[in-house]
Amino acid sequence: DAKTTQPPSMDCAEGRAANLPCNHSTISGNEYVYWYRQIHSQGPQYIIHGLKNNETNEMASLIITEDRKSSTLILPHATLRDTAVYYCIVGNYGQNFVFGPGTRLSVLP
Amino acid sequence: GAVVSQHPSWVICKSGTSVKIECRSLDFQATTMFWYRQFPKQSLMLMATSNEGSKATYEQGVEKDKFLINHASLTLSTLTVTSAHPEDSSFYICSARGNDRGPGQPQHFGDGTRLSIL
Repeated sequence: DAKTTQPPSMDCAEGRAANLPCNHSTISGNEYVYWYRQIHSQGPQYIIHGLKNNETNEMASLIITEDRKSSTLILPHATLRDTAVYYCIVGNYGQNFVFGPGTRLSVLP
Repeated sequence: GAVVSQHPSWVICKSGTSVKIECRSLDFQATTMFWYRQFPKQSLMLMATSNEGSKATYEQGVEKDKFLINHASLTLSTLTVTSAHPEDSSFYICSARGNDRGPGQPQHFGDGTRLSIL
């Protein structure tokens, strides 16, 4: 079973920030939080990952709570091309990734 | 960087045919590669972990004689679906994890192979 819980779907207006939550209350101290997205009929695309600190790259920001039991992926200015299924995964180098159902984000014009 | 190439992207073949899918890490070396399967409207399910120079580790319920995995080099793993039948029709996706990019290094995925068995 996946170690994460995400809402099944979310809508976001184009140009607005998309905030995707993820709960991972059983995360272990050496486990990272990874975010991927999958656009229809493609392989998952890596977005960002983090351990404890907040992270930012050219695609998104990752906010991890201090107790590390939840996190939020932020797409600062969502576009129609950001419509996808977003997966939040916890794990580390020695573990296999377990994909849950993810959040289906629909960016609306 | 961290590009994973998967080939072919689409295969249609007759029942009973064996099909080979290639997964290559183009700009990094990967001791470990992973093979997933995804049925329509479902999430990815790990089939097996492929280790360079050794036997693959299969997940429970995945037939190792049906899905042959070879990881002969640090940049190439292959999955062969032997004697494929219509129920093997699915979206097969590989991923690779770099050897030297730290303990939290992510997996990078190929674009998948859509297999349709008639």
